[in-house]
Amino acid sequence: DVKVTQSSRYLVKRTGEKVFLECVQDMDHENMFWYRQDPGLGLRLIYFSYDVKMKEKGDIPEGYSVSREKKERFSLILESASTNQTSMYLCASSDSSGPYEQYFGPGTRLTVT
Amino acid sequence: AQSVSQHNHHVILSEAASLELGCNYSYGGTVNLFWYVQYPGQHLQLLLKYFSGDPLVKGIKGFEAEFIKSKFSFNLRKPSVQWSDTAEYFCAVNVNQGGKLIFGQGTELSVKP
Repeated sequence: DVKVTQSSRYLVKRTGEKVFLECVQDMDHENMFWYRQDPGLGLRLIYFSYDVKMKEKGDIPEGYSVSREKKERFSLILESASTNQTSMYLCASSDSSGPYEQYFGPGTRLTVT
Repeated sequence: AQSVSQHNHHVILSEAASLELGCNYSYGGTVNLFWYVQYPGQHLQLLLKYFSGDPLVKGIKGFEAEFIKSKFSFNLRKPSVQWSDTAEYFCAVNVNQGGKLIFGQGTELSVKP
């Protein structure tokens, strides 16, 4: 079974803090993704990575950055957290060959106060 | 830009009622199609997927979906819902064979016992 783990289920941070969200997958997947999930908006892609040290912007990259130094690990960084970044953050991974089914982690609910 | 539309934001049904959740996408080329489910407090998991072959696909827990290419649709169905089907359902499409999925806004299903 594919397993995608995220470092925290719940996180509370203050405005202006630097926040690190970690994601690890154990299936040797090339592709990894970060989404945020907000009610009524579905899943919106923040960043994704097709390979180590590779990253591409998704639909809403502003205010975020990512790091992928090892194949199994994909980190999302909020350089200076703001209250509008309060959300559920989901990490996913998939193989590089089709049909590109993504496997999701349990999510991190981040609250910025 | 490609998009995925789920017409129903919140559906309320009684147990044993039949379910159909709509999903339409905007892309004229080859697609891979997915339905994911998120039970309360749990991570997203795959219900079913279509990438080729029989346009009627069956998934877990008695769900099925039909790909109608001419209508750009991939509606989810279940003949008789149970209280345990209460969850949020997401339709997703892969359009460029590169691993990214485009998600719909989600449909919240509430099943009354």
